[in-house]
Amino acid sequence: TQLLEQSPQFLSIQEGENLTVYCNSSSVFSSLQWYRQEPGEGPVLLVTVVTGGEVKKLKRLTFQFGDARKDSSLHITAAQPGDTGLYLCAVMTTDSWGKLQFGAGTQVVVTP
Amino acid sequence: DTGVSQDPRHKITKRGQNVTFRCDPISEHNRLYWYRQTLGQGPEFLTYFQNEAQLEKSRLLSDRFSAERPKGSFSTLEIQRTEQGDSAMYLCASSARTGGDYEQYFGPGTRLTVT
Repeated sequence: TQLLEQSPQFLSIQEGENLTVYCNSSSVFSSLQWYRQEPGEGPVLLVTVVTGGEVKKLKRLTFQFGDARKDSSLHITAAQPGDTGLYLCAVMTTDSWGKLQFGAGTQVVVTP
Repeated sequence: DTGVSQDPRHKITKRGQNVTFRCDPISEHNRLYWYRQTLGQGPEFLTYFQNEAQLEKSRLLSDRFSAERPKGSFSTLEIQRTEQGDSAMYLCASSARTGGDYEQYFGPGTRLTVT
């Protein structure tokens, strides 16, 4: 079983619509990161959330960390074709090396 | 700074051949990571270097895989006797301590296809 479960696996929407993707776990984390990956490229860090209940905004993207620090969501308002990509959540493992453990990702496609 | 670079970007090889990939991290980043990503999955950790020392290897890294970072700068990942199951995107990331965190910067990856 995956440490991080992401849902949905795939989401296709029209430009201008809103969407929410989820990252869930039964484990508690000290922090959680969201990445976006475009085809043929490596993941790019969008945000790190640290505090339970924390909400961070990045333009039209809103990230929330659950109160219990077990889950997170990413909401995109008025999606644009440039938002198309694979959205990955990730956590650092508990040892000190900082390696990341990723969910399987949500593929988002925004059509004009 | 041009970011993390990887070479080649694409590699097609026949089963049984050896392949080597190179990663050039952001200069002065002392940590370097290798990950593997298969279709429909997130990246999976393979191995990690702090400077020239390889400090951890995943169970995913079989005996056919070897990684080096000879002078604490660039790194190479070699796969011997490639198998079709090795087909994947191989990602490199580097990081340095900024405040309390080590933010990882990823390269564009090397896509390996084993025929």
